[in-house]
Amino acid sequence: EPEVTQTPSHQVTQMGQEVILRCVPISNHLYFYWYRQILGQKVEFLVSFYNNEISEKSEIFDDQFSVERPDGSNFTLKIRSTKLEDSAMYFCASFTGSQETQYFGPGTRLLVL
Amino acid sequence: GESVGLHLPTLSVQEGDNSIINCAYSNSASDYFIWYKQESGKGPQFIIDIRSNMDKRQGQRVTVLLNKTVKHLSLQIAATQPGDSAVYFCAVSYGQNFVFGPGTRLSVLP
Repeated sequence: EPEVTQTPSHQVTQMGQEVILRCVPISNHLYFYWYRQILGQKVEFLVSFYNNEISEKSEIFDDQFSVERPDGSNFTLKIRSTKLEDSAMYFCASFTGSQETQYFGPGTRLLVL
Repeated sequence: GESVGLHLPTLSVQEGDNSIINCAYSNSASDYFIWYKQESGKGPQFIIDIRSNMDKRQGQRVTVLLNKTVKHLSLQIAATQPGDSAVYFCAVSYGQNFVFGPGTRLSVLP
């Protein structure tokens, strides 16, 4: 069964450093998403991406965040200068766009020290 | 916009009993609703979905009920098993985006 994959599974970084989280969505899906989940809290929407551009973003997704689909398979989330409060699980999800739900990857646990 | 809320943050049930988890949403234009299960340290896993043109949908041991009049969604798990212990989220779509509820932690007691 096709699945969304994410790398790395865990990332530890120093405050102020840049991190890139990687995702490989399901191949025939058209919409791609990043979500964040702070420990013990609900899943929060960050950004959606369609047709090689951002279609919607939340207030969390400020200028420190960017997304890219550099080739036909990868979808990345970059945090330019990490803050302590960026520590969370980051989930990638993909969606065909109709008649189906979105499927989540296993997540990347980011810890900013 | 859309907001999604929940009635109970935790729920404990005896093994073998039925579980009911509830969710409320705000936008009457929402047309697609999903329940996810999230086990510790893992990503949300799709359980069942329902579209707004239905009020009930059944899967294997799970049933989703949708009451559009009061904007309420519920997940029923029949004969709850220890493996059902997890956090359950509802998600509501608006357009191509999804808003998640805060989740109910289901604990199954032996």
